[in-house]
Amino acid sequence: AQSVTQLGSHVSVSEGALVLLRCNYSSSVPPYLFWYVQYPNQGLQLLLKYTTGATLVKGINGFEAEFKKSETSFHLTKPSAHMSDAAEYFCAVSSNTDKLIFGTGTRLQVFP
Amino acid sequence: DARVTQTPRHKVTEMGQEVTMRCQPILGHNTVFWYRQTMMQGLELLAYFRNRAPLDDSGMPKDRFSAEMPDATLATLKIQPSEPRDSAVYFCASGLGRTGGHGYTFGSGTRLTVV
Repeated sequence: AQSVTQLGSHVSVSEGALVLLRCNYSSSVPPYLFWYVQYPNQGLQLLLKYTTGATLVKGINGFEAEFKKSETSFHLTKPSAHMSDAAEYFCAVSSNTDKLIFGTGTRLQVFP
Repeated sequence: DARVTQTPRHKVTEMGQEVTMRCQPILGHNTVFWYRQTMMQGLELLAYFRNRAPLDDSGMPKDRFSAEMPDATLATLKIQPSEPRDSAVYFCASGLGRTGGHGYTFGSGTRLTVV
């Protein structure tokens, strides 16, 4: 079975500071990994995804994530936080079964 | 931009009533998911379809929930009878083929309140 663990249900950073949201996965087969963002009262929007190939994946809004197989991690980072980054972020895992399994989410707050 | 359309956006209903939520996937997408989001449980996969055929509905309470795709442009999720514990936001997502290639596009959700 596949699963995702997101460490930290809340993360707070100052505007301009580094954003680091943690995600660890469990999968018995090569995983496909995703980060989604959810703004208040909206659906989920795909930030970035890892399928195969380059382990450092760049997404929208300046976010990137690195797939580390040895650590079973797929942490999301952004060098400099912006107020508009405040949202909830979900890590998700899938494989050839098609099911997209989500973590419990991390709420990012950005302070001026 | 192509989008997944869900109706209604909000629904308030009394316990015991039937609720129908609709989803129009992106044209050409052949895979449709239904998720439920609550504070306590997070995002739960209820069911999904490929080419209109149900592939997995193991996450759905069978006694009161049903999901169908009458045609390629419409997916429905019904609850009968509804209960207060069904209050949640229900999301539909669509995609093409397997998630590995594309990821999925989510609708804005239906916020259901059962009183």
